[in-house]
Parts: sequence; structure tokens; C-alpha cells
Amino acid sequence: DAGVIQSPRHEVTEMGQEVTLRCKPISGHNSLFWYRQTMMRGLELLIYFNNNVPIDDSGMPEDRFSAKMPNASFSTLKIQPSEPRDSAVYFCASSFNRDVATNEKLFFGSGTQLSVL
Amino acid sequence: AQSVTQLDSQVPVFEEAPVELRCNYSSSVSVYLFWYVQYPNQGLQLLLKYLSGSTLVKGINGFEAEFNKSQTSFHLRKPSVHISDTAEYFCAVSDQAPPGGYNKLIFGAGTRLAVHP
Repeated sequence: DAGVIQSPRHEVTEMGQEVTLRCKPISGHNSLFWYRQTMMRGLELLIYFNNNVPIDDSGMPEDRFSAKMPNASFSTLKIQPSEPRDSAVYFCASSFNRDVATNEKLFFGSGTQLSVL
Repeated sequence: AQSVTQLDSQVPVFEEAPVELRCNYSSSVSVYLFWYVQYPNQGLQLLLKYLSGSTLVKGINGFEAEFNKSQTSFHLRKPSVHISDTAEYFCAVSDQAPPGGYNKLIFGAGTRLAVHP
């Protein structure tokens, strides 16, 4: 398996622009997570999907952030409008959980390095 | 709410020396504990996990960790490190899922292990 695939690897954009990050989870995994990593705040969970349904979006910073999972093999994280403080590495991770509550091993993608100028 | 403290932000060590990366957690309930490793420009990979049972957990690449409930610690050890172990190491904790909820992973800030020849 190719693992969790994220695109793009790097994104440089100007403040106010829309940014869309993409993720393809490992085939057969039923849970998907979006994390943000910064020096100041470390690794933060933004949103958790189970069977394509958002279970926990309490980590989404504000209304400028939105995430979708239209099917089991694809998810997007969108920032509109983007701001310099959104600059970070965004990771997607997937796992197979026997139920929505269980969360034992995550497989991470290589991340998207976002720079908002 | 649970939290994770990684006491050292950086640990320099010479090749073939032993190393211990410290992790303490706070939680009022039973927990699951994890160590993840992040190599440069990559996503996180699971090193080892404690769910229940033996308090000494062995992981990949010769690492092991010991769960100490009385000290609320889960320190990571390796008796002899290699240059290739240079990476960032993250301790993570999750409470056992509450009714209707899920066991959410909370990550520490990370410890950068630098192995020198």
C-alpha cells in the first residue's frame, strides 16, 4: 500500500487566498484525522472522521476552516480566507478502528507545508 | 482533561550510547499511551503503544517503554542508539473512550533526539 497520500507537499499562498489540502487515506481504513503542527502549539487535532462522518471538529480553529470527506478514499481541508497565522504543517492520518471509540494506531501522511505570506 | 509533558525538548547523545526520553502524563482515568517517531520531512510513525497488560512495552527499532502508573510516566529507552535514530519523538496519551465518545490522542510537544558520531 502506498500509505496515506497528501497533496500538495508544499503550498505557498498570499493572505486572503483560498487553500485546499487533499488527503487519500489507506484503503480499508475507516477513520481519518487532520492535524496541524506548529512550533508554538505542537501537534493539534483539527477534525476526526469515522466512516466519512465528522465525529469531532472541536479542534477546527474557526469558521475559515472546513473539512469534508465525500467518500472513504478522499478528504479535503479548506482554509478560506487564509491568514499568515495559518502557516504550519498539516498532516492527514488514517486508521482502522473497530468502532468509533477506538483509536489505537494512526498512519500519517508526509504532510503539507503551508506558508501564507 | 489529559495532558502530556515531554520534559526534554532536545536530547543530544553519542552513537552507541543509551538514551531515555521522558514523558509524563496527567489523567484521572485509565489511559492508553503511545510513542511516535517523526523522521525529517515525514509523517509520524508508531513506535510502540501501551493499552493494558505488561508495563514494559517493546517497539520497533529496539525501543522500549515502561508504563509507571504511580509516577504517571511512560519513558522511552534504547540501550544503544544509531545515527539513524535521529528524529523527533512524540509521546501521546488517550483516555479510554467515555460513553458515546472516543479515545482522543493528545500529543506532547516532542523531543528532538540528535545522535552524533
